[in-house]
Amino acid sequence: GNSVTQMEGPVTLSEEAFLTINCTYTATGYPSLFWYVQYPGEGLQLLLKATKADDKGSNKGFEATYRKETTSFHLEKGSVQVSDSAVYFCALRRSGNTPLVFGKGTRLSVIA
Amino acid sequence: GAVVSQHPSRVICKSGTSVKIECRSLDFQATTMFWYRQFPKQSLMLMATSNEGSKATYEQGVEKDKFLINHASLTLSTLTVTSAHPEDSSFYICSAARLAGFAETQYFGPGTRLLVL
Repeated sequence: GNSVTQMEGPVTLSEEAFLTINCTYTATGYPSLFWYVQYPGEGLQLLLKATKADDKGSNKGFEATYRKETTSFHLEKGSVQVSDSAVYFCALRRSGNTPLVFGKGTRLSVIA
Repeated sequence: GAVVSQHPSRVICKSGTSVKIECRSLDFQATTMFWYRQFPKQSLMLMATSNEGSKATYEQGVEKDKFLINHASLTLSTLTVTSAHPEDSSFYICSAARLAGFAETQYFGPGTRLLVL
């Protein structure tokens, strides 16, 4: 079946540090891949996505590249800010109008 | 961007009572709505998928008679937890799928925290 595995948190970083949150997936066919972010007290928001191999999704300084050879979609940011503190979810969707399959989420805390 | 609301945001009820949670897409018509459940420090687990005007499709292990889903219109879906028990306490999240051209994007509500005493 389809599944997503992401690194367990919590992750605590100092401001301006480099961030990597690992995500690997198992899926049949060619899924679309997503990163969602959940800020405290808010709903999930789409952060970025990639729909085919070698695509790079980017938004707000975050990047992730769809690597089919390693079935990975690692999230990176060069310099984190306190406002990036949130829970980050990696997810995949097989196709069309199908539901998302989520990883367990990684809590990031950035301290000044 | 598209907005999805949920009501109530938080509810506390006694064991044995029923609780209704509403999910609304405020500025678009949703082709499909999904209901998820999130346990503390766990991922979102899909409970059911609903399309307007048809019966919901439940995931394996989810009791359809306990978690009643009604999708009466393209902007409203409701989840009713019937005869709630403490083990039903959880964070319930809906998402609404918006089809624009050939792309489909899901927008999430802020969630409803249910506590059953």
